[in-house]
Amino acid sequence: ILNVEQSPQSLHVQEGDSTNFTCSFPSSNFYALHWYRWETAKSPEALFVMTLNGDEKKKGRISATLNTKEGYSYLYIKGSQPEDSATYLCAFTTSGTYKYIFGTGTRLKVLA
Amino acid sequence: EADIYQTPRYLVIGTGKKITLECSQTMGHDKMYWYQQDPGMELHLIHYSYGVNSTEKGDLSSESTVSRIRTEHFPLTLESARPSHTSQYLCASSAGSGPETQYFGPGTRLLVL
Repeated sequence: ILNVEQSPQSLHVQEGDSTNFTCSFPSSNFYALHWYRWETAKSPEALFVMTLNGDEKKKGRISATLNTKEGYSYLYIKGSQPEDSATYLCAFTTSGTYKYIFGTGTRLKVLA
Repeated sequence: EADIYQTPRYLVIGTGKKITLECSQTMGHDKMYWYQQDPGMELHLIHYSYGVNSTEKGDLSSESTVSRIRTEHFPLTLESARPSHTSQYLCASSAGSGPETQYFGPGTRLLVL
């Protein structure tokens, strides 16, 4: 059974702090790794899709890295703001299938 | 912002009732998905479709059924709701054959009494 693990489960940080989360996934048959941000009462919003070992993606203050050989991805938020408060989900897809395996997410609360 | 819609957003219903959760997308995506999520748990795939008249069951067993008669519409039906069906249901769609991003609807929170 394929499993995606995210840590920590939840996190409280002060405004202006930088933070990072981890997503661990099976390294075999890797196809793509996706990061989503899910704010309360809204739809999950895609942040990044990464396919190559060593990929680094950046969107404003948020960036992500990918290591497919060891099966992990990091999401970084620089200078957290209250509007960054959300659940951050990662999802993994294997080659030969279009199914996404999601982690349980990291719930981030940024305190003003 | 993605053009994928779900109705209703919230539903409270009694045991034994038949319910249909609606999902529509205006992006022309071939692939559509239904996920179920219980609080604090992962999104679990319960149904997916690669195109019109194509539906498959996902990894999590579900008593619900789906249909895909039109590209833009992927409704989910529970013939007889039970309290164990209480959950959040999210619909998503994607295009293409590569590692495409899935676009999600806002979800339906279902409570069966």
